[in-house]
Amino acid sequence: QVQVVESGGGVVQPGRSLRLSCAASGFTFNDYGMHWVRQAPGKGLEWVAIIWSDGTNAYYADSVRGRFTISRDNSKNIVYLQMNSLTAEDTAVYYCARDWKWNLDYWGQGTLVTVSS
Amino acid sequence: EIVLTQSPATLSLSPGERATLSCRASQSVSTYLAWFQQKPGQPPRLLIYEASNRATGIPARFSGSGSGTDFSLTISSLEPEDFAVYYCQQRSNWPRTFGQGTKVEIK
Repeated sequence: QVQVVESGGGVVQPGRSLRLSCAASGFTFNDYGMHWVRQAPGKGLEWVAIIWSDGTNAYYADSVRGRFTISRDNSKNIVYLQMNSLTAEDTAVYYCARDWKWNLDYWGQGTLVTVSS
Repeated sequence: EIVLTQSPATLSLSPGERATLSCRASQSVSTYLAWFQQKPGQPPRLLIYEASNRATGIPARFSGSGSGTDFSLTISSLEPEDFAVYYCQQRSNWPRTFGQGTKVEIK
C-alpha cells in the first residue's frame, strides 16, 4: 500500500536550518511528483512546494521561495525539504503528499517543526 | 495568487442532515478544484478532484459541483464520521492555494 513517512522535525532556533525527509513506499516513486504542505498550530493548510517526478523542476510558495529547497533522491525513494533562515512563522506540521494528476492523493502523518529560542 | 474563500466558517448540523459547503475563487480555476477532509490529529484526505470526481474509496454521499469561480461540496446525509474540517484547493495556477476551511460540527 502507498505510504509516505515524514521525519526530521524538531525544535530549532530562529535563523537556523533544518532538513525534513519523506520516505515513500508502495508505488513507483520516480513516476510521481511530490509536495510539501504545512499547517501552523490551529490554522489551515498552506501549500509549500512541489518537485517534478524526475527532479528537473520545482515550484514554491512565495512565503518560502529563496529560503526552502525541495529535492529528491529517486534511488532512495526520498524527498527532502531543506529549510533555511527559519522564523517563528515557519512553525507548523509539515506534510509530504504524493502528486497524482496534479492532485495530492496520499499524505503522510506529518512532522512538527517548532522555531523558538 | 488565487484566493479561495470558503463559507460558512462553521456549519452546525445533526447526523442525517444535508451539508452544503461553498468555495469561491478570486479568478477562474476551470474545474481544477479539489476538496479535502481533515479530522483532528490526522492528515487531510482527498475527497473530490477536478470539482466533481470522487477519489478512490470515497462514499457516494459526497459530491462536488461547480466550475469557474463557484464550487460546492455536498454531503447528502451526514454520518457521525463526517464531522470534520473541509478544505478546497485549486490546481489551476502556481502557487497552489487552499481555502481557509469549513468546520462541520454536531448541532
